[in-house]
Amino acid sequence: DTGVSQNPRHKITKRGQNVTFRCDPISEHNRLYWYRQTLGQGPEFLTYFQNEAQLEKSRLLSDRFSAERPKGSFSTLEIQRTEQGDSAMYLCASSPNQQGAGGYTFGSGTRLTVV
Amino acid sequence: SQKIEQNSEALNIQEGKTATLTCNYTNYSPAYLQWYRQDPGRGPVFLLLIRENEKEKRKERLKVTFDTTLKQSLFHITASQPADSATYLCALPISSGSARQLTFGSGTQLTVLP
Repeated sequence: DTGVSQNPRHKITKRGQNVTFRCDPISEHNRLYWYRQTLGQGPEFLTYFQNEAQLEKSRLLSDRFSAERPKGSFSTLEIQRTEQGDSAMYLCASSPNQQGAGGYTFGSGTRLTVV
Repeated sequence: SQKIEQNSEALNIQEGKTATLTCNYTNYSPAYLQWYRQDPGRGPVFLLLIRENEKEKRKERLKVTFDTTLKQSLFHITASQPADSATYLCALPISSGSARQLTFGSGTQLTVLP
């Protein structure tokens, strides 16, 4: 297993277009998270899945954002009608069901630029 | 409201010295606290977790302390090297809706000068 994989690494889109990002977590991990990070800030929680169930969504997540994890494996994050304020790094992370002594394993992120 | 604060300014230190980074939090009593390292253009990498009943934890040149009375964690890198230059993030599980989600501070950018 090569860790958490995110695609694409970079995405430039025009305002108003829809974009979709993919995340492949570590296969043994039940939990999957999406975060957003802007320059100079820490990652900000967006949403969380346990297996295929989306258990939590941030109140900051507008209706233009939707995430899925159809078979409890990979996940997609879609942003509809993108706005310039959506420009950020979108990070995916996964973790085992039991927190144990470990933390989250993050992917390298997808950098979105809305022009 | 619940807040996490890290050293607000970037930290520059000389190679070989000990770097000390601070994470303060308010209005919360977390069961544990985590530290991550983040390099430019990459996702955070987990370093250490310390639980509320642990005062100190070590891993190689890293040492973390957790003072639940002061609501503060200190992160130390001893014998620092230029390769330690990165942004360091602390994170706590904070209640959001029905679940506790890992919430990150804004990070401290550390530069180790050769």
